[in-house]
Amino acid sequence: SYVLTQPPSVSVAPGQTARITCGGHNVGTKVVHWYQQKPGQAPVLVVYDDSDRPSGIPERFSGSNSGNTATLTISRVEAGDEADYYCQVRDSSSAHLVFGGGTKLTVL
Amino acid sequence: EVQLVESGGGLVKPGGSLRLSCAASGFTFTNAWMNWVRQAPGKGLEWVGRIKSKTDGGTTDYAAPVKGRFTISRDDSKNTLYVQMNSLKTEDTAVYFCAAGYYYGRVWGQGTLVTVSS
Repeated sequence: SYVLTQPPSVSVAPGQTARITCGGHNVGTKVVHWYQQKPGQAPVLVVYDDSDRPSGIPERFSGSNSGNTATLTISRVEAGDEADYYCQVRDSSSAHLVFGGGTKLTVL
Repeated sequence: EVQLVESGGGLVKPGGSLRLSCAASGFTFTNAWMNWVRQAPGKGLEWVGRIKSKTDGGTTDYAAPVKGRFTISRDDSKNTLYVQMNSLKTEDTAVYFCAAGYYYGRVWGQGTLVTVSS
């Protein structure tokens, strides 16, 4: 089955830019979605279809996808962005949904 | 307001059964593909399975760890999604979320905790 690999943790100072990667074989040929999950809460969709934002998600959140790496970029990071972030794709062979292992974003 | 509310979680012994429900409101449930996703304590998200809308065939798909033990169904007249979980194992212990969306979760419920322990 398809595997997505994320770094366990990323740290960034407030006001800086955080980049969270999601690696997978030819992931650039798939459509990637990103979720934010704060402790004790349900996941929230922050980017879908590689780079689109749902209504209500700040423009500071953006996504890109090419080659073997998809990236979630959070500009002008705020303390409230501290959370776990997950990437997700559809496995084209099975139509099953596949999640990355998650990345804990720490705002220093 | 778009909302999903799960219920039915609890403590069950290994080998036991449990049925979870997910009540939907604020959107056209009949047209929605619905997913179950779980999260073991301190772990990441794991897709459990999906049911398509009846207009798209109403078919189900399951992740390998639960196939043959879990059954996802829906009652469009009640705007409710279900998962019947049989032959439960300790490794099924998790918070179970329902999520609406075709191939991603556009809207999520708050989750319900299932603990499988003797």
